[in-house]
Amino acid sequence: SQQGEEDPQALSIQEGENATMNCSYKTSINNLQWYRQNSGRGLVHLILIRSNEREKHSGRLRVTLDTSKKSSSLLITASRAADTASYFCATDGGANNLFFGTGTRLTVIP
Amino acid sequence: EPEVTQTPSHQVTQMGQEVILRCVPISNHLYFYWYRQILGQKVEFLVSFYNNEISEKSEIFDDQFSVERPDGSNFTLKIRSTKLEDSAMYFCASSSGQGSYNEQFFGPGTRLTVL
Repeated sequence: SQQGEEDPQALSIQEGENATMNCSYKTSINNLQWYRQNSGRGLVHLILIRSNEREKHSGRLRVTLDTSKKSSSLLITASRAADTASYFCATDGGANNLFFGTGTRLTVIP
Repeated sequence: EPEVTQTPSHQVTQMGQEVILRCVPISNHLYFYWYRQILGQKVEFLVSFYNNEISEKSEIFDDQFSVERPDGSNFTLKIRSTKLEDSAMYFCASSSGQGSYNEQFFGPGTRLTVL
């Protein structure tokens, strides 16, 4: 299966701290995406990193990709209570679908 | 900002009944998708749709399921003879380009409860 697996499954931090979530996958990919899901809501796209990229930034988000280790990490700096959500990595399962991981549940305590 | 919309937000049905979940993708998008998420589990791909036909489907998407784009704006998922295990959140998504190479925009989901 190409599905990603995130760790940790749950992470609880204080507001202002940084949060790091990791994703591992099993087969070669063209790109990897990170999505956020607030409780009971739809998924919101955060960032896409292509297989030939090693690092990408978007605001307070930093994503790294190590294709040799088949892993990616999502760093959220200076976390806020509003960052509380589940975070999923998704790999390309084909030309037109995504395989989602199990997610990391992030809780940011004000 | 354009967004994907889904109706209804919650659908309750009896086992064996047919349901139709509706989605309005972003207007200039060409690729459409359905995913589902059983409570507490990961989001699973069901089907992708492009140029008025299914482009990819998963093992979950068997003969019980069908999709249709009946007009220029709606994209529907029909589930025939629903089973208890079909209870889940169903998400519609759309993208301007191929889904694994481009951002997919997700709707808020329809919670399906099969009794």
